[in-house]
Amino acid sequence: DTEVTQTPKHLVMGMTNKKSLKCEQHMGHRAMYWYKQKAKKPPELMFVYSYEKLSINESVPSRFSPECPNSSLLNLHLHALQPEDSALYLCASSTYPLAGEDTQYFGPGTRLTVL
Amino acid sequence: GQNIDQPTEMTATEGAIVQINCTYQTSGFNGLFWYQQHAGEAPTFLSYNVLDGLEEKGRFSSFLSRSKGYSYLLLKELQMKDSASYLCAVMAPYDYKLSFGAGTTVTVRA
Repeated sequence: DTEVTQTPKHLVMGMTNKKSLKCEQHMGHRAMYWYKQKAKKPPELMFVYSYEKLSINESVPSRFSPECPNSSLLNLHLHALQPEDSALYLCASSTYPLAGEDTQYFGPGTRLTVL
Repeated sequence: GQNIDQPTEMTATEGAIVQINCTYQTSGFNGLFWYQQHAGEAPTFLSYNVLDGLEEKGRFSSFLSRSKGYSYLLLKELQMKDSASYLCAVMAPYDYKLSFGAGTTVTVRA
């Protein structure tokens, strides 16, 4: 089983709202990732967690705040977003953090619309 | 940095073969991945190449030439459900981050 789940599937929020995206995997993977994908563009890496610790932040604005409560869960807290933040947010996980031959498996994504 | 190029669109007929090329110029290399992504859905892993040569998985095959910075994904016996975007992604050796090409949209026609 290579399943990564994400909730919610769709989210509409105003610029003053606070919301959270959730990601879960039960494959025993120790690396988890957040990507942002705009329409007809490839995924762009935002954050990487390795053994529940933040290892890479790709200069993401502070209105995006990741959290890894345990090895199976990854959250992305959203606050004061802008309309240009509307995108598909993908979570992924892989067996070994940042190791070669380490396939990343993606969740179905959350389609975020910021009004 | 990473520069990854692949064609924007390709069209083929059901039952035919299509080859999607990917060229890369990177500051290092630690493997190349191919993903399939249907519209509005998540990328699905198809193949991984780190050594030169051909990897075959059913109707899908992937080839790598590290000296030429070149890979291709070969889709055989095309089916309508193969209509999707195909993403080439290169893994860097030091931070092991994945960098994606812009994707190739394949349309399969009856």
